[in-house]
Amino acid sequence: DTGVSQDPRHKITKRGQNVTFRCDPISEHNRLYWYRQTLGQGPEFLTYFQNEAQLEKSRLLSDRFSAERPKGSFSTLEIQRTEQGDSAMYLCASSPLAGGDEQYFGPGTRLTVT
Amino acid sequence: GENVEQHPSTLSVQEGDSAVIKCTYSDSASNYFPWYKQELGKRPQLIIDIRSNVGEKKDQRIAVTLNKTAKHFSLHITETQPEDSAVYFCAANSFSGGYNKLIFGAGTRLAVHP
Repeated sequence: DTGVSQDPRHKITKRGQNVTFRCDPISEHNRLYWYRQTLGQGPEFLTYFQNEAQLEKSRLLSDRFSAERPKGSFSTLEIQRTEQGDSAMYLCASSPLAGGDEQYFGPGTRLTVT
Repeated sequence: GENVEQHPSTLSVQEGDSAVIKCTYSDSASNYFPWYKQELGKRPQLIIDIRSNVGEKKDQRIAVTLNKTAKHFSLHITETQPEDSAVYFCAANSFSGGYNKLIFGAGTRLAVHP
């Protein structure tokens, strides 16, 4: 499967714990996005990478959230001191730098904070 | 901030009927408008998109229309089938913050009854 992959698919954690998610974009896609989707809503933009550079962060991304893309390939999203309000589906999408605006989504990581 | 409004939130049709979903956007600079289909527990899948230099695009049973003056775009599905049942999201790109990202509507849950 050459699509966007994410790991883990599901994560249950207790409030206050740290969690880390991984996204592997489509090979050679320079652009990588993280979105958050809560029940009954559309995805909301969190952050954007172009290669290894994190170029934009949403106001939704509190100080407890950090994202990296160290070699311009896979990306990680870490949430520190999780809160119940962090429960959501975290989606990753990738897009080629040249040739189009299409974003292709991964299957997401569903986070449940108890 | 920039936003996309989507209507209706739920839509129920009989197999073979047509379905129309409407969206409005606020960012005058938006020039790319994709539509995603999301089945329960699965990733959003790009089904059709339109750019601002055209007013209509068709792909088999689905079509999208765009009215830039009114900042309005719509998805049309003809001859609906039960497998069209899913949540559909419209989106518009936005450059607020300096970089291209997608702003999504809240989604339309389409049910096609045999």
